[in-house]
Amino acid sequence: AQSVAQPEDQVNVAEGNPLTVKCTYSVSGNPYLFWYVQYPNRGLQFLLKYITGDNLVKGSYGFEAEFNKSQTSFHLKKPSALVSDSALYFCAVSSGNAGNMLTFGGGTRLMVKP
Amino acid sequence: DGGITQSPKYLFRKEGQNVTLSCEQNLNHDAMYWYRQDPGQGLRLIYYSQIVNDFQKGDIAEGYSVSREKKESFPLTVTSAQKNPTAFYLCASSIASGGLGETQYFGPGTRLLVL
Repeated sequence: AQSVAQPEDQVNVAEGNPLTVKCTYSVSGNPYLFWYVQYPNRGLQFLLKYITGDNLVKGSYGFEAEFNKSQTSFHLKKPSALVSDSALYFCAVSSGNAGNMLTFGGGTRLMVKP
Repeated sequence: DGGITQSPKYLFRKEGQNVTLSCEQNLNHDAMYWYRQDPGQGLRLIYYSQIVNDFQKGDIAEGYSVSREKKESFPLTVTSAQKNPTAFYLCASSIASGGLGETQYFGPGTRLLVL
């Protein structure tokens, strides 16, 4: 079975400061890792994914994520937060053993204050 | 939200009533998915379809039914057997279900409320 943990229900950060949203995962086999963002009453928007290759993945809107195999983590980062980044962020994982079935974490609410 | 549309945006269900949520995509994707989102929880998979005329149960299929008669369409019916249907329902699609690491793209969602 595969699983994802997002240990923080909410992350608060001041505008202009760096942000990190944490994600750890558990799979058997090679992991494929995703980050999505959700604005209120909207669907999920794809931000970035890790398949293979460089551990640092760059995505949309200045976000990036670092894959760490030894720590089974895939934390989302941004060097300078914007108020407009305030939203709900989901980490998800799939693996070769589960086809393309995604397992989602519970989500982390990011609040960026001016 | 790309080329995936869901309708209606809001849907009200009376007790004992079946209701159908629409999902259409013009991305020429083979695979389609239905998820349920409850407050404070992640998404849970209800049903998925890898190809026309074929679909599989996900983790929480009880009380739901689907069909996949056309590549572009994957409607979800919430039956009267689903005792707690109030939730936000999200449809997604991907190029292929068998491909590893394929990105799923989501529609805007339908919020179902019980009267």
